[in-house]
Amino acid sequence: NAGVTQTPKFQVLKTGQSMTLQCAQDMNHEYMSWYRQDPGMGLRLIHYSVGAGITDQGEVPNGYNVSRSTTEDFPLRLLSAAPSQTSVYFCASSPPSVFNPYEQYFGPGTRLTVT
Amino acid sequence: DAKTTQPNSMESNEEEPVHLPCNHSTISGTDYIHWYRQLPSQGPEYVIHGLTSNVNNRMASLAIAEDRKSSTLILHRATLRDAAVYYCILAYGGATNKLIFGTGTLLAVQP
Repeated sequence: NAGVTQTPKFQVLKTGQSMTLQCAQDMNHEYMSWYRQDPGMGLRLIHYSVGAGITDQGEVPNGYNVSRSTTEDFPLRLLSAAPSQTSVYFCASSPPSVFNPYEQYFGPGTRLTVT
Repeated sequence: DAKTTQPNSMESNEEEPVHLPCNHSTISGTDYIHWYRQLPSQGPEYVIHGLTSNVNNRMASLAIAEDRKSSTLILHRATLRDAAVYYCILAYGGATNKLIFGTGTLLAVQP
């Protein structure tokens, strides 16, 4: 298993540009999530999904869109990049876990710089 | 979501035990206690979780106070590879798809 993979590893955008961060997992996990981590801070939840076709907002959803058309993929779209979105983005997945917790598996991250 | 409070940083010597504390005085009956750690330049990795009873796994032990208002992650013999930020997280029902991370405890391990 490759686990959770993220592409690209690094990206530089100009203000106003749009792009999609890719996330894929090969563990057949229903739960997937996107987090961002600013320097010296903990992770903050952007969006999450409990299965194909179902997404919901986390703590900091503004400026980001997600969709979940398959179990494997959960792309994160930046609509119009702003310098405040400069961060490291982590994708994560786990089996369904309410009242039956499993570990959440994290990808290696995408480092995004917006100039 | 209930909040957790952890020390900003701690130091340990290699091969000695480490006790990482976490306060969560507003924990509810359905909140599970999760611990994750993040090594430098990597994504977080799962360490352990529990609800009411103490838990052991190959990585660590989790000691939960009887009133559940605090918990302690125990690394039995710290190694240099254990130097990381350790996050204590409460999750309603244990749901792992929407973990709310704090700033964690930065653990330094001295040789």
